[in-house]
Amino acid sequence: SQTIHQWPATLVQPVGSPLSLECTVEGTSNPNLYWYRQAAGRGLQLLFYSVGIGQISSEVPQNLSASRPQDRQFILSSKKLLLSDSGFYLCAWRHYDTEAFFGQGTRLTVV
Amino acid sequence: AQTVTQSQPEMSVQEAETVTLSCTYDTSESDYYLFWYKQPPSRQMILVIRQEAYKQQNATENRFSVNFQKAAKSFSLKISDSQLGDAAMYFCAYHTGANSKLTFGKGITLSVRP
Repeated sequence: SQTIHQWPATLVQPVGSPLSLECTVEGTSNPNLYWYRQAAGRGLQLLFYSVGIGQISSEVPQNLSASRPQDRQFILSSKKLLLSDSGFYLCAWRHYDTEAFFGQGTRLTVV
Repeated sequence: AQTVTQSQPEMSVQEAETVTLSCTYDTSESDYYLFWYKQPPSRQMILVIRQEAYKQQNATENRFSVNFQKAAKSFSLKISDSQLGDAAMYFCAYHTGANSKLTFGKGITLSVRP
């Protein structure tokens, strides 16, 4: 069966520090991968999605970047965090005609 | 552009009653996939129900059913016999298959009164 792992679950980082959130999928190949951000009580904002290794589409110009170095690995990064980067980050995957499957999420607080 | 609209930010229902959550979307594609997700306080995203646009029959999953109106681009979720555990945020979403984006509405917070 397919599983998705996202870590860490909680992160507190100072302003100006770097960020790396990792997401890996097991039990499937060539998934579409997504990074979303969610403010408290709000909707899901699509940040990046990838349809293959090295292929990244950015939805919102911001302080973040994404990379897909392997088929089932999706990384969200920042060189210098801002206070406005705080939020709940969700990774998800899907295939052509399936629903999306989500990780447990990472609660990021920038202080 | 793909858009999903959930115009009601909050709704409330009495336990054991029925409630309908509204969703509209905008696409020029003829083939696509629609979903309702539930997000409880744990913030884990849980699939409630899915609907393929090429299927005329409305999807049903136990107490959850949809009213899919393709011409009107409407996809509402009906929850029957509401339970306290149904209290959560609900999101409508869709994609057009292949390598398309997965787009979500802003969500609706459903509370259930005992």
